Amino acid sequence: DAKTTQPTSMDCAEGRAANLPCNHSTISGNEYVYWYRQIHSQGPQYIIHGLKNNETNEMASLIITEDRKSSTLILPHATLRDTAVYYCIVREGLSNFGNEKLTFGTGTRLTIIP
Amino acid sequence: DADVTQTPRNRITKTGKRIMLECSQTKGHDRMYWYRQDPGLGLQLIYYSFDVKDINKGEISDGYSVSRQAQAKFSLSLESAIPNQTALYFCATSGGQGLGYTFGSGTRLTVV
Repeated sequence: DAKTTQPTSMDCAEGRAANLPCNHSTISGNEYVYWYRQIHSQGPQYIIHGLKNNETNEMASLIITEDRKSSTLILPHATLRDTAVYYCIVREGLSNFGNEKLTFGTGTRLTIIP
Repeated sequence: DADVTQTPRNRITKTGKRIMLECSQTKGHDRMYWYRQDPGLGLQLIYYSFDVKDINKGEISDGYSVSRQAQAKFSLSLESAIPNQTALYFCATSGGQGLGYTFGSGTRLTVV
């Protein structure tokens, strides 16, 4: 199984960009990187995912290194509501009928400081 | 209405009792999942289903069973609840490869 490594916790000042790193050095060529967040025991919320190119949506940007061994989730202007646990996940399985499931680690607890 | 609805939201039950957690979704997705979360830990996959006729065990299926009654409904049962099954349970649905998951709000289960 492809594994990810994330810092246990991070702080970021409100209004600043929050940059959350993730290492996934054993990622396979056709595995995606997903990011989810969980706000205080609510259901995890999908943020963004990517394969090799950088991605951006209304919530965040995802920067994946050229060797795909690491990535960074960027929240451009963090607010207090962004305080949550952020999970970086490498998706297992390849085909529509394969072993497609997400394996969650312990994530990074991001605290936005007023 | 939420895309993924879980009932009940909270439940306290006694050791040895049978309990069912229900999940329904309005996304029209074929794939549904049950996860368990213990305090301070990530989510662990219990069971998943790719369609009504397809049920698969996850990482921690012992002590649990599931039923996929329809495309939109996926229930999780604890046949004989035990205290170490006290946890937060999440149902999720996915539209398929490359797409994100949508999670329900969770069921907090306490077994005493």
